[in-house]
Amino acid sequence: SQTIHQWPATLVQPVGSPLSLECTVEGTSNPNLYWYRQAAGRGLQLLFYSVGIGQISSEVPQNLSASRPQDRQFILSSKKLLLSDSGFYLCAWSVPGRAHEQFFGPGTRLTVL
Amino acid sequence: GQSLEQPSEVTAVEGAIVQINCTYQTSGFYGLSWYQQHDGGAPTFLSYNALDGLEETGRFSSFLSRSDSYGYLLLQELQMKDSASYFCASDTGGFKTIFGAGTRLFVKA
Repeated sequence: SQTIHQWPATLVQPVGSPLSLECTVEGTSNPNLYWYRQAAGRGLQLLFYSVGIGQISSEVPQNLSASRPQDRQFILSSKKLLLSDSGFYLCAWSVPGRAHEQFFGPGTRLTVL
Repeated sequence: GQSLEQPSEVTAVEGAIVQINCTYQTSGFYGLSWYQQHDGGAPTFLSYNALDGLEETGRFSSFLSRSDSYGYLLLQELQMKDSASYFCASDTGGFKTIFGAGTRLFVKA
């Protein structure tokens, strides 16, 4: 069966510090991968998606970046965090061609102080 | 633009039936998905409608009307554990899914 892992579960970082969140998927190959951010009590904002190794599409211009160094690994990064980067970050995967059914990881709750 | 509208909150009694509506305005619409998210948890996929009509999965059903740009999620025999946020999401046919802001369902005893 397929599983998706994210870490860390929670993170408190000072403004201006770097960020690296990691997501890995097991039990499937060549998945579509997604990064979302969710503000408290709000919907999901798509940040990045990837259809293959090294292929990243950005949906929202901001100080975040994403990379996919391996087929089932997706990394979200920032060089300098802003207060507005606080939120709940969710990684998800789907079977190619089935973006309507996404499977989400447990999420990382990021607080920037 | 692309947007989906849902009520922000719905309250219902245990054992009752509740309907959560979603209207959408998206380009390249292929279908409507529904997700459930408990507080602090990750969203989980509930259902998907690509065609008009009703899809039933146990206590949950989902409906789509493309001509009205409208869908709903129907929850029957409500249980306390159904208290959660519910999101409709538009399948744009590519790699993107556009999510609504979510409806928070409160189930009371």
